[in-house]
Amino acid sequence: AQRVTQPEKLLSVFKGAPVELKCNYSYSGSPELFWYVQYSRQRLQLLLRHISRESIKGFTADLNKGETSFHLKKPFAQEEDSAMYYCALRRGRGSTLGRLYFGRGTQLTVWP
Amino acid sequence: GAGVSQSPSNKVTEKGKDVELRCDPISGHTALYWYRQSLGQGLEFLIYFQGNSAPDKSGLPSDRFSAERTGGSVSTLTIQRTQQEDSAVYLCASRDPGGTDTQYFGPGTRLTVL
Repeated sequence: AQRVTQPEKLLSVFKGAPVELKCNYSYSGSPELFWYVQYSRQRLQLLLRHISRESIKGFTADLNKGETSFHLKKPFAQEEDSAMYYCALRRGRGSTLGRLYFGRGTQLTVWP
Repeated sequence: GAGVSQSPSNKVTEKGKDVELRCDPISGHTALYWYRQSLGQGLEFLIYFQGNSAPDKSGLPSDRFSAERTGGSVSTLTIQRTQQEDSAVYLCASRDPGGTDTQYFGPGTRLTVL
């Protein structure tokens, strides 16, 4: 079975500080990992995906298969980063089902 | 272009009543998903449609929940005899069949069962 764990329900940092949102997964195959973000009163949207290996809004995430982790990092947090962040897994590339398995989310607050 | 839309945006109902939630996916997206977002539970998968067929209904929590999709487009999620534990935000997503294969989410319907 597959599972996504986000151990921190709440995370607070000050503006300019580094931030790391943790995500661990369990899945016996080769997963695709995603980070979704939901800003206040906005819809859930894709932030980044591991296969793209890109930086979006200063955020990066590296898939560590040995530690089964996909932590989201940003070196200098901004107030506008305050949002709910969800880590999600999809079973295998091009999976015909494509459903996402989500963690329970981490509410990030960046203080001025 | 237009994104995924859902209606109503809010629905308040009494325990025991039936409700229908609607999702309009992005044009051309053949895959459609329903999820439920509850406080403390995160996002739970409910059902997946490919075209008008539902190959994965494994997330529907009880037989009070059903969904259909017609014309490969609009989908309706129906909850019969609503219970207070059904209160949640119901999200719909449609998937880009192209290279990005991304799921795009609607704004959700907030259901409150009194």
